[in-house]
Amino acid sequence: AQTVTQSQPEMSVQEAETVTLSCTYDTSESDYYLFWYKQPPSRQMILVIRQEAYKQQNATENRFSVNFQKAAKSFSLKISDSQLGDAAMYFCASVAGTASKLTFGTGTRLQVTL
Amino acid sequence: NAGVTQTPKFQVLKTGQSMTLQCAQDMNHNSMYWYRQDPGMGLRLIYYSASEGTTDKGEVPNGYNVSRLNKREFSLRLESAAPSQTSVYFCASSWGPQPGDTQYFGPGTRLTVL
Repeated sequence: AQTVTQSQPEMSVQEAETVTLSCTYDTSESDYYLFWYKQPPSRQMILVIRQEAYKQQNATENRFSVNFQKAAKSFSLKISDSQLGDAAMYFCASVAGTASKLTFGTGTRLQVTL
Repeated sequence: NAGVTQTPKFQVLKTGQSMTLQCAQDMNHNSMYWYRQDPGMGLRLIYYSASEGTTDKGEVPNGYNVSRLNKREFSLRLESAAPSQTSVYFCASSWGPQPGDTQYFGPGTRLTVL
């Protein structure tokens, strides 16, 4: 069984600053994938970034990057140069094994202030 | 290219009523999924269909049935709605059932059972 834990229910960041959202996971599988999804007020789930566990290099997508610490089972999301449009719920998720069944954390609500 | 579409967007039911949530994707994806999202929790998998003609239970299948009508469409049916099924329901699709395949989500259906 997989578990995903997000220990920060809410975070706040000023516009143009950097913020890091935390996520830890647990899985007994050696082959797995990790994701960050963004859910704005519109409810649409949007993929932010994806990390393959077998890749040591941290994934990056424009202003979004991850810090993947495999031994510590940690997968944090860093948002640089935060923008008002980044305000949303952010969900960390994992998938492992032979089927694409996502396991989600409980989410972190990010506020972006002027 | 609409991606994943869901109907209806909102629905109110009385306890014991039945209804079907519709989902369609136009990305020629093989795999489709139904999740529910409750307050304070991440998304949880109800059912999934790895390919046309197959369906499997997810984490919370009780009280639901699904039909993979064809490659494009995957419906979720509540036979006798209960207040515990009040939730936001998301449909998703992916190219295949492999763990690394990214899932793309629909806009969700907010269901209230009185």
